[in-house]
Amino acid sequence: DTAVSQTPKYLVTQMGNDKSIKCEQNLGHDTMYWYKQDSKKFLKIMFSYNNKELIINETVPNRFSPKSPDKAHLNLHINSLELGDSAVYFCASKDGGFYNEQFFGPGTRLTVL
Amino acid sequence: DQQVKQNSPSLSVQEGRISILNCDYTNSMFDYFLWYKKYPAEGPTFLISISSIKDKNEDGRFTVFLNKSAKHLSLHIVPSQPGDSAVYFCAAKTSGSRLTFGEGTQLTVNP
Repeated sequence: DTAVSQTPKYLVTQMGNDKSIKCEQNLGHDTMYWYKQDSKKFLKIMFSYNNKELIINETVPNRFSPKSPDKAHLNLHINSLELGDSAVYFCASKDGGFYNEQFFGPGTRLTVL
Repeated sequence: DQQVKQNSPSLSVQEGRISILNCDYTNSMFDYFLWYKKYPAEGPTFLISISSIKDKNEDGRFTVFLNKSAKHLSLHIVPSQPGDSAVYFCAAKTSGSRLTFGEGTQLTVNP
């Protein structure tokens, strides 16, 4: 059973398009995250939701909009895609408790042409 | 400003020998540190962690050492196995839940 799943795994699109990436976790966790891994390989947090409420919103262009329909899902919608959006996007989830680790999805490789 | 740095982008060791992966941080407020392992085309998976009140944590072949005065931690893998070949990320957090990751070190264990 996949704990944190993302769709699609690969996404190739043209500049200016709008696309969405979906994330689902079946772990019953309360908190979900979106990370971006850019070409320099750093994993940087973009957003975090706790029980469908936005709790972390890093300095991310407002073309990126997360949506959490329920606590098991956190989707990422990107408007007007740019070349610099090309990256691997990881979803993660975590149960409550400071010492609990985050569980990551397999990633979505987004390529903007 | 990168608060967690892994200065070695890659490390190659022989099977059976020790692998030592290093990580430095600048934020003295970090009080919990984690190592994640990542295989190609997969997400990072949690490996081992250490609280700032400890200087060592061991789990099987994996040991993490923390030197708070030097703001340095290291991951030791003994003995190294070919299946350990992966990218290893160091991460740190403060009392909030936000994780700050290093850029990763590619470990290759040669048979």
